[in-house]
Amino acid sequence: DGGITQSPKYLFRKEGQNVTLSCEQNLNHDAMYWYRQDPGQGLRLIYYSQIVNDFQKGDIAEGYSVSREKKESFPLTVTSAQKNPTAFYLCASSIEVTGETDTQYFGPGTRLTVL
Amino acid sequence: GDSVTQMEGPVTLSEEAFLTINCTYTATGYPSLFWYVQYPGEGLQLLLKATKADDKGSNKGFEATYRKETTSFHLEKGSVQVSDSAVYFCALRRSNDYKLSFGAGTTVTVRA
Repeated sequence: DGGITQSPKYLFRKEGQNVTLSCEQNLNHDAMYWYRQDPGQGLRLIYYSQIVNDFQKGDIAEGYSVSREKKESFPLTVTSAQKNPTAFYLCASSIEVTGETDTQYFGPGTRLTVL
Repeated sequence: GDSVTQMEGPVTLSEEAFLTINCTYTATGYPSLFWYVQYPGEGLQLLLKATKADDKGSNKGFEATYRKETTSFHLEKGSVQVSDSAVYFCALRRSNDYKLSFGAGTTVTVRA
């Protein structure tokens, strides 16, 4: 089955530690995205990537980093510089960033809790 | 800038009741409009979309019509089921832009 997988489902981190969230897709999509969801709020874009070896900051990139070494993978690192990292993180992908086939499809999410 | 406003929840209904979730937007040009649904503990699933004025998106008994004159994209379902309990998000994307702008979400609970 084609889709987007995120791991782990739940993640606990101590303050001051970096942590990496995994996102993999087998949809052959060029574009991938990372969003953050906080209770009672809509999603906010952290980073997006249109193509391998290229990525752009979204609205709330501070304290986060990404890489896009392979088309199917877009890991997100939450660094110790992120002041309030506890949230639900969602990865998404689309065939392309803009145009007719731009619908974004989402993974199941990773819930990160900082202890 | 672009923005999406949804009716505040939570919304609680009985099975077979009629559901409406209001969504209005502010954006330049002619954005594409989307409804996503999030079931408890899961990611978002695309429910339906419309890409131009007067288009009607529909899926699983849900419908929404793109109304340019009122800048609205209200979600409706004629007879809800317990399994429709979820959080519903309205979103827009401007043409030739990568960014999805989301509303805050509306929590819907359907009771048997």
